[in-house]
Amino acid sequence: AQSVTQLDSHVSVSEGTPVLLRCNYSSSYSPSLFWYVQHPNKGLQLLLKYTSAATLVKGINGFEAEFKKSETSFHLTKPSAHMSDAAEYFCVVSDGDTGTASKLTFGTGTRLQVTL
Amino acid sequence: GAVVSQHPSRVICKSGTSVKIECRSLDFQATTMFWYRQFPKKSLMLMATSNEGSKATYEQGVEKDKFLINHASLTLSTLTVTSAHPEDSSFYICSARDTRVHEQYFGPGTRLTVT
Repeated sequence: AQSVTQLDSHVSVSEGTPVLLRCNYSSSYSPSLFWYVQHPNKGLQLLLKYTSAATLVKGINGFEAEFKKSETSFHLTKPSAHMSDAAEYFCVVSDGDTGTASKLTFGTGTRLQVTL
Repeated sequence: GAVVSQHPSRVICKSGTSVKIECRSLDFQATTMFWYRQFPKKSLMLMATSNEGSKATYEQGVEKDKFLINHASLTLSTLTVTSAHPEDSSFYICSARDTRVHEQYFGPGTRLTVT
């Protein structure tokens, strides 16, 4: 069985300050891990994915995440928040790449609020 | 990038009626589509995997006779909520897997309210 735990349901940061969204995973297999973002009234968008290559993964819009097997973590970071980053973020685990028919297991989400 | 659409985006229906939700891949073919349900302030839960030309595979606890899935073409899958009840009110999201690039793309979701 696989699962993800997003440690914070809500994170608030000031514009221009760093962002840290935390995620821990559990998987019986060598996992693939993803971060998706959901803006209101829009579809889920893939930010980045880890599929057993480099442990530090760079994604779109300046986001990156580091896979730490010893800590079973895959935290999402960004050096400087922008107002447009305000959205819901989901950490997702799969027992394969999204290219397979593998099921995706979603975390409960973290709502990121960015203030002036 | 690849686009997945859902129709309608929002629907209100009366208890006991049936509602059909469409999921379309607009610029790619998808042999596999997935249907998720998202409760308020909660995660997405996979309901079923829809394969073109064959029967859908339902997750444990999902009633296949209540949530009818049809994947009749490589660009269209439909979810029909039959005899809807207020507890079926939720946000339904589909995704489609692009077989060429092995990526999964999500639709914008459909908010169903059963009164």
